[in-house]
Amino acid sequence: NAGVTQTPKFRVLKTGQSMTLLCAQDMNHEYMYWYRQDPGMGLRLIHYSVGEGTTAKGEVPDGYNVSRLKKQNFLLGLESAAPSQTSVYFCASSEKQGTFLYGYTFGSGTRLTVV
Amino acid sequence: GDSVTQMEGPVTLSEEAFLTINCTYTATGYPSLFWYVQYPGEGLQLLLKATKADDKGSNKGFEATYRKETTSFHLEKGSVQVSDSAVYFCALSDAGSARQLTFGSGTQLTVLP
Repeated sequence: NAGVTQTPKFRVLKTGQSMTLLCAQDMNHEYMYWYRQDPGMGLRLIHYSVGEGTTAKGEVPDGYNVSRLKKQNFLLGLESAAPSQTSVYFCASSEKQGTFLYGYTFGSGTRLTVV
Repeated sequence: GDSVTQMEGPVTLSEEAFLTINCTYTATGYPSLFWYVQYPGEGLQLLLKATKADDKGSNKGFEATYRKETTSFHLEKGSVQVSDSAVYFCALSDAGSARQLTFGSGTQLTVLP
């Protein structure tokens, strides 16, 4: 009953460093999403994927890249971290054509601090 | 485009008080509506949903009714508990672009014993 698993849970980066956040789901969901959550800003969509091998930009894609090489995994990369990327990052997934009926399943989040 | 507007927080109530968190939406079609709850340090969990007008979603004592005429989906609970302290998000999924949820900004609820 893992659902959506995010790793790592916490990370501190120095400005300019790179890292990859991993999201894995075991529900055979077609759609996957990366959001960031900042105080007073709610949830903002970074990138999303509607299937293996596909990705698309969301509301705030700059400074991030993503890959969906396997259906169950969705990776979020920061090539050169900036303090403005300090945030809590959430991954979510949903069934194909299922968002309308069922919404998303969320991971527990990754808290990233860039110093 | 689609949008969701939630009442400003934070909201502070005493235990056993009545809760209402207002949510209104703008959508081009006939959306599904959701309430998510986020407990401290955790991800968002689906609390309840309604997929068509006049539907009532309910879970854990919380209720919300899909009101098409007022484009609203207000969250209510008759008697809150300290354990209900969390951030609550209203969201919609438009059938025309059913791949994403559009979220409100969230409302922080604190319940005092």
